[in-house]
Amino acid sequence: KAGVTQTPRYLIKTRGQQVTLSCSPISGHRSVSWYQQTPGQGLQFLFEYFSETQRNKGNFPGRFSGRQFSNSRSEMNVSTLELGDSALYLCASSLAPLAGTDTQYFGPGTRLTVL
Amino acid sequence: AQTVTQSQPEMSVQEAETVTLSCTYDTSENNYYLFWYKQPPSRQMILVIRQEAYKQQNATENRFSVNFQKAAKSFSLKISDSQLGDTAMYFCAFIGMNRDDKIIFGKGTRLHILP
Repeated sequence: KAGVTQTPRYLIKTRGQQVTLSCSPISGHRSVSWYQQTPGQGLQFLFEYFSETQRNKGNFPGRFSGRQFSNSRSEMNVSTLELGDSALYLCASSLAPLAGTDTQYFGPGTRLTVL
Repeated sequence: AQTVTQSQPEMSVQEAETVTLSCTYDTSENNYYLFWYKQPPSRQMILVIRQEAYKQQNATENRFSVNFQKAAKSFSLKISDSQLGDTAMYFCAFIGMNRDDKIIFGKGTRLHILP
C-alpha cells in the first residue's frame, strides 16, 4: 500500500506570493491533517479535513486555507507569503477523524522557503 | 489551555543502553490520548506508541514502553536496548476526546544513539 505522498517536496517562493501544497493520503483514508514544523515553534496543527469537510483548525491566520476533494486528496494554500511561513509542512492521513485517534501516517513533508 | 512539555532538548546514549525521554502535560480533561512520535533524520514521522488515559496499564511496543502517571500528568518513553536506528527527534503529543480538541505536540527531544 502506497504511503502518504506530498508534492512538491521543495519550494522556494518570495514574499507576497501564494503557494499551494498537495497531499495524497493512503488509499481508503478519509482524514487528512496538516502541520507546520519550524525550529522555533515546533510542530503546530494547522487543520484537519474529513470527508471534504474541515473538522478543526489551529491558531493560524486566514492566509492559511485548505480543502479536500472527493478522492480524499487535500491541498493547502498560503496566500501573501511572509518570511515566517518558511517551514516544513507535513500532512498526515488516517482512517478516522483525529479525535478518534486512529493512527496517523505522515508524509515526507514539503519544505517551503520564503525569500 | 493544554500544554505538552519535553524538558530534554537533546540526549545521547550508547548503543544497547536504555534511555528514558520525559514528557509532562497539563489538561483539565479526564479522558485523552497520549502519543510518542519519532522523526528520523529522513523526516518521515511515525507513531511509536499510544496510550489511552483511561487505561491504567502502560503501553508497550517491543523495545518501547511508557511510564504513564496520570495523577502526575507524566508520560515518559523508555527505549530498551537502544539501536543506531533509534537516532531521531522524538515528540510527545496529547489530544483530548472532545470534538474540538486539537493535537498538541511538545517541542521534541533529539536523541543520538552513539556506536
